[in-house]
Amino acid sequence: DSGVTQTPKHLITATGQRVTLRCSPRSGDLSVYWYQQSLDQGLQFLIQYYNGEERAKGNILERFSAQQFPDLHSELNLSSLELGDSALYFCASSVSSLETQYFGPGTRLLVL
Amino acid sequence: DQQVKQNSPSLSVQEGRISILNCDYTNSMFDYFLWYKKYPAEGPTFLISISSIKDKNEDGRFTVFLNKSAKHLSLHIVPSQPGDSAVYFCAASAGSGGGADGLTFGKGTHLIIQP
Repeated sequence: DSGVTQTPKHLITATGQRVTLRCSPRSGDLSVYWYQQSLDQGLQFLIQYYNGEERAKGNILERFSAQQFPDLHSELNLSSLELGDSALYFCASSVSSLETQYFGPGTRLLVL
Repeated sequence: DQQVKQNSPSLSVQEGRISILNCDYTNSMFDYFLWYKKYPAEGPTFLISISSIKDKNEDGRFTVFLNKSAKHLSLHIVPSQPGDSAVYFCAASAGSGGGADGLTFGKGTHLIIQP
């Protein structure tokens, strides 16, 4: 158990809908990262937050957004969902940007 | 363009022998490398890392070797155990430490330990 929690574990929704994925980092970690793992693309970095502020952006679509709250939990919002958004979404956390990232168990999203 | 490549999608090794997983990278800015292990339906688990100022790092049965001139790293597992069967991801960072700009992952190698 990495100490990073993600909810929900599974999510099934329809095209065009909007969903919110939630992540609670390990106690003491200020940095939260979001990754997408799809069958063809592998694990891809989406976005990083550090102590409530956006720190770095990767291959995140404009339809996706994230935020980190004062209690340091983070949410990833996915809107106007398409079939191709079906994937595993992982959250990771670290003490700072210079430390090892620890991953949560992931949320499996299926868009029908 | 894939910046981190794991060219072997799968590898089968006999229990007790050495497992060697390879990884190549193209981005000269990468200065920190990590290996993660992943079981089905779980998140990646951190195994071992190496900074570009070193060429070897050891932790129990796991050793990572870095050849900067060849832009190549490898993970050695000795001796291999049945519980080592999993998908192994190589990851790299250009921001030192855990990744100031997120980690760039390879596509993984599925290691199968045969009894």
